[in-house]
Amino acid sequence: DQQVKQNSPSLSVQEGRISILNCDYTNSMFDYFLWYKKYPAEGPTFLISISSIKDKNEDGRFTVFLNKSAKHLSLHIVPSQPGDSAVYFCAARVNTGTASKLTFGTGTRLQVTL
Amino acid sequence: DAGVIQSPRHEVTEMGQEVTLRCKPISGHDYLFWYRQTMMRGLELLIYFNNNVPIDDSGMPEDRFSAKMPNASFSTLKIQPSEPRDSAVYFCASSLIRGHEQYFGPGTRLTVT
Repeated sequence: DQQVKQNSPSLSVQEGRISILNCDYTNSMFDYFLWYKKYPAEGPTFLISISSIKDKNEDGRFTVFLNKSAKHLSLHIVPSQPGDSAVYFCAARVNTGTASKLTFGTGTRLQVTL
Repeated sequence: DAGVIQSPRHEVTEMGQEVTLRCKPISGHDYLFWYRQTMMRGLELLIYFNNNVPIDDSGMPEDRFSAKMPNASFSTLKIQPSEPRDSAVYFCASSLIRGHEQYFGPGTRLTVT
């Protein structure tokens, strides 16, 4: 049962335009959400996060939006740059007090074209 | 800091052989995580440690998989015997705060023929 879903395996966007990556989740106990970026032959690197008590977090060209009622979050990249081409993973955390782990989606491959 | 270090980067082995993957977390981090990445399931958490103690191994697929952390600077993930379906990229990650930002190593690409 995939609790964190990234339904678009790939996305292609022109340089300078906005990239929107989507993520849906099913577990209402998730209290923290993160986005990771992964280049080929490297490990994922942390990009941006958001607490469940917020609906928006912005960091430079990257903004994450959280819609708790819809159990949906999205990552906006504007303007998109060729160096943004990578696989993006959405992750979510349940803080149970005794154990805390991240559940990842399957990833979306973003291609930013010239 | 050198970041999380994993070895080997690539491993090719025959079915039935024992495989040992190694990880050195970032110094001072007290959480260590082992993940497996496949096309179908994305990044799956296998096991994680806090202060060298295994906390949750519910993601370990079978008894063929085992993980140890003998000290704060070293962990191993062992598969014995290995099977072709174990072929995947295995990542190690470490963190200071539970569940928040985790720092990943470059991964070990395992191929079992």
